[in-house]
Amino acid sequence: QKEVEQNSGPLSVPEGAIASLNCTYSDRGSQSFFWYRQYSGKSPELIMSIYSNGDKEDGRFTAQLNKASQYVSLLIRDSQPSDSATYLCAVILSGGAGSYQLTFGKGTKLSVIP
Amino acid sequence: GAGVSQTPSNKVTEKGKYVELRCDPISGHTALYWYRQSLGQGPEFLIYFQGTGAADDSGLPNDRFFAVRPEGSVSTLKIQRTERGDSAVYLCASSNDRGLNQPQHFGDGTRLSIL
Repeated sequence: QKEVEQNSGPLSVPEGAIASLNCTYSDRGSQSFFWYRQYSGKSPELIMSIYSNGDKEDGRFTAQLNKASQYVSLLIRDSQPSDSATYLCAVILSGGAGSYQLTFGKGTKLSVIP
Repeated sequence: GAGVSQTPSNKVTEKGKYVELRCDPISGHTALYWYRQSLGQGPEFLIYFQGTGAADDSGLPNDRFFAVRPEGSVSTLKIQRTERGDSAVYLCASSNDRGLNQPQHFGDGTRLSIL
């Protein structure tokens, strides 16, 4: 059973639009959530972290967390062609007995069309 | 300081051979993680070090895989009797400390190809 789920896409949005990326997770006790951006052939790059319910904004990026619904999302405002990448949702699951490994979704491929 | 450094960036070898992959974490980071990423998938956890000890090796697929971190800094992932299914990108990440709120930062990875 996959524990972190993402729509694989591709998600296509026009330049300047808002891109909305979604992620659900199965472990209700999870407490730490991260969004990574991965360009083709490159390593994951951390862009957002969120730990409590609500919204967290950083520039054009907003992460939203709803623990009751076990749902975390990433909004990218004023999307640019340079935002075209695969976005990975990562969760630290509870009950890891001191291990803080990340469990990743498969990623959503975003294409921003000029 | 510098980010996580991984060498080699690419490794091609024949089935059955032994390989070593090296990771040099961000200076001062005590926690170090190895992940493996196959095409079209997210990274999958292999092993976690806190200091010199392997705190969690539950992700290692079998006993052909082993990792060390003898001085609490550089780590080496070792794969014996490689198989074609071992082909993947091997990623190393480090964080400032263990804990739920410590983001992990990744190196550029080693692309391993087993012929």
